[in-house]
Amino acid sequence: AQSVAQPEDQVNVAEGNPLTVKCTYSVSGNPYLFWYVQYPNRGLQFLLKYITGDNLVKGSYGFEAEFNKSQTSFHLKKPSALVSDSALYFCAVRDGNRAAGNKLTFGGGTRVLVKP
Amino acid sequence: GAVVSQHPSWVICKSGTSVKIECRSLDFQATTMFWYRQFPKQSLMLMATSNEGSKATYEQGVEKDKFLINHASLTLSTLTVTSAHPEDSSFYICSARGSSGRYEQYFGPGTRLTVT
Repeated sequence: AQSVAQPEDQVNVAEGNPLTVKCTYSVSGNPYLFWYVQYPNRGLQFLLKYITGDNLVKGSYGFEAEFNKSQTSFHLKKPSALVSDSALYFCAVRDGNRAAGNKLTFGGGTRVLVKP
Repeated sequence: GAVVSQHPSWVICKSGTSVKIECRSLDFQATTMFWYRQFPKQSLMLMATSNEGSKATYEQGVEKDKFLINHASLTLSTLTVTSAHPEDSSFYICSARGSSGRYEQYFGPGTRLTVT
């Protein structure tokens, strides 16, 4: 079974400071990893993904994430946070082994609050 | 590109009635569509996966006779909540994935269902 853990329910950061949202995963096959952001009463917006290749992945709105196989982590980062980055962030994993199916498993979500 | 729409965005219905939610991929063909349910301040729970022209695959614990899913075309999937009860009140989100080789799912804006 695959799973995702986001250890922090909420992250508070001052505007202009670096932002990190933590994510660890467990999957049998090769991990396909994703980050999504959700604003209130809205669906999820795709930020970035890791499938293969360079461990550092750059995505939308200045976000990036680093895949660390040994630590089974995929932390989301932004060098300088904006107030508009305040939202709910979800990490997700899918097993790259086709026999495992198409199921995307989400973490519990981390609420980010960026204060001016 | 990769836009997914949902209709309606919110709906209020009386207990015992049925409600249909539509999910459309606007600019790509969605070979696979997913339906999720999200409770307040919680993560997304996968309800079912549907492939165009095939019967949906429901997750354990999801009543297939209560949550009817139809994926009749490559751009449209519908979720019908039959004989709705107040405990069915929730935020329902669909997502779609195309056949172009891209790995990420694209999410609709969600539908908030309130059963009175």
